[in-house]
Amino acid sequence: EPEVTQTPSHQVTQMGQEVILRCVPISNHLYFYWYRQILGQKVEFLVSFYNNEISEKSEIFDDQFSVERPDGSNFTLKIRSTKLEDSAMYFCASSESGGYTDTQYFGPGTRLTVL
Amino acid sequence: AQKVTQAQTEISVVEKEDVTLDCVYETRDTTYYLFWYKQPPSGELVFLIRRNSFDEQNEISGRYSWNFQKSTSSFNFTITASQVVDSAVYFCALSEGVGGTSYGKLTFGQGTILTVHP
Repeated sequence: EPEVTQTPSHQVTQMGQEVILRCVPISNHLYFYWYRQILGQKVEFLVSFYNNEISEKSEIFDDQFSVERPDGSNFTLKIRSTKLEDSAMYFCASSESGGYTDTQYFGPGTRLTVL
Repeated sequence: AQKVTQAQTEISVVEKEDVTLDCVYETRDTTYYLFWYKQPPSGELVFLIRRNSFDEQNEISGRYSWNFQKSTSSFNFTITASQVVDSAVYFCALSEGVGGTSYGKLTFGQGTILTVHP
C-alpha cells in the first residue's frame, strides 16, 4: 500500500541553524501539507501546497519557514534559523485531489529537537 | 475559538470494555468533513474514517462505530470490545469547505489518550 515517507526520523540541531525536513508524498497525490505537533499537544496546520505554490498557510508559518518541491517526488520544509520553540514533531501529508473533501494521509513524522 | 473539542483528555478501560470518544466541533460552514485519526505510541497518524456534513448515517466497521449528529455538532467514535492494541491517542479533525475555496486544512482537537489495560 502506498505511503508517505519522511526523513530523517529524528533531527537534532543547534538554535539558529537551518534544517530541511524531507517528505516523499504518495506518488499520484497532488496536494501536500505540513503539520506540526509540539509534544503533548494537538496537531497544527502549517501549510498546504499545490501546483508548486503555497495555497494556504497558518500564522505559524512565518518567514522562517519555506516549502519546496525540488523534483517530482520530494517535498521539503525548511526552517531557516531554528528556535527552541520549533522543537516538535513535523508531519507531512498528501491527498489525491485536495480540497476539504479529500482524505490526507500522513507520514511517520520527523522529530525535530532544537538545543 | 476552539473549533474541535475533545473534552476527554484521558480514558482508561479494561480490555473488552466498550469505549466512546467524544468530539464536538464548531463551524459556520454548511459543507465540511469530519475525520478521526489514530496516533499509536509509535507516533504516526493513521486515518480511520471521514464523514461529510450531509451524511448523518451512522456507520459500523468491525469493532468501530461512529455517531454523527449535526444537531449537537458531535462526531463520536466508539470502540466495541476494546483491545490492548487500541491504546493510542485519538484525534478528531474538521475540514471546512469555506465556500469551496478550501485546500483541505485540517483543524484537530486536543486528542484523547486511550489506554486499554489487559
